Amino acid sequence: NAGVTQTPKFQVLKTGQSMTLQCAQDMNHNSMYWYRQDPGMGLRLIYYSASEGTTDKGEVPNGYNVSRLNKREFSLRLESAAPSQTSVYFCASSVGQGPTYEQYFGPGTRLTVT
Amino acid sequence: GNSVTQMEGPVTLSEEAFLTINCTYTATGYPSLFWYVQYPGEGLQLLLKATKADDKGSNKGFEATYRKETTSFHLEKGSVQVSDSAVYFCALLSPNTGNQFYFGTGTSLTVIP
Repeated sequence: NAGVTQTPKFQVLKTGQSMTLQCAQDMNHNSMYWYRQDPGMGLRLIYYSASEGTTDKGEVPNGYNVSRLNKREFSLRLESAAPSQTSVYFCASSVGQGPTYEQYFGPGTRLTVT
Repeated sequence: GNSVTQMEGPVTLSEEAFLTINCTYTATGYPSLFWYVQYPGEGLQLLLKATKADDKGSNKGFEATYRKETTSFHLEKGSVQVSDSAVYFCALLSPNTGNQFYFGTGTSLTVIP
């Protein structure tokens, strides 16, 4: 069972370049999330999608866009990368929203912007 | 606002030692509280949770009790193993803020034989 998969695992970008991080889940979950993890700051929510066809901003959405392509896939786009976006990005999914529903995390994408 | 504060690491313990990782929180309303664990090179996994005051979450020998009076959710294990070496994150989920998770900064634990 693959769970939550993310591509790529590693990426180096130059300032101003764009890229899309891909996330897919095979658990038939309704809700999906994008987090970034920075040293000394824990995980912070960038965007989430409560259900197919909806997306909402999280705590740190500036500089990012998302697309919930279908129930399985939720992508994160950086239109013009900046060094401040150097981070590890985690995708997660859950059956629904709220404390009853565990979030399952992917293995992460380590992004460096030079 | 919502926030989680957990003890800074890294923490190094000998096998079979007692573990405590402190976690306190600030939240609006009545949050649910969680501990997640991250093994090297992997994503986070749910370790345990508690959804209301005085609840105790437990899993794999780890325990944490939701203390509303002290706004705390400290993680404990009576006898750690080398395989417990990982980063541990305390988190809260607040229904007042769209069910968003707020994570602490993480505490790195290394258990030596």
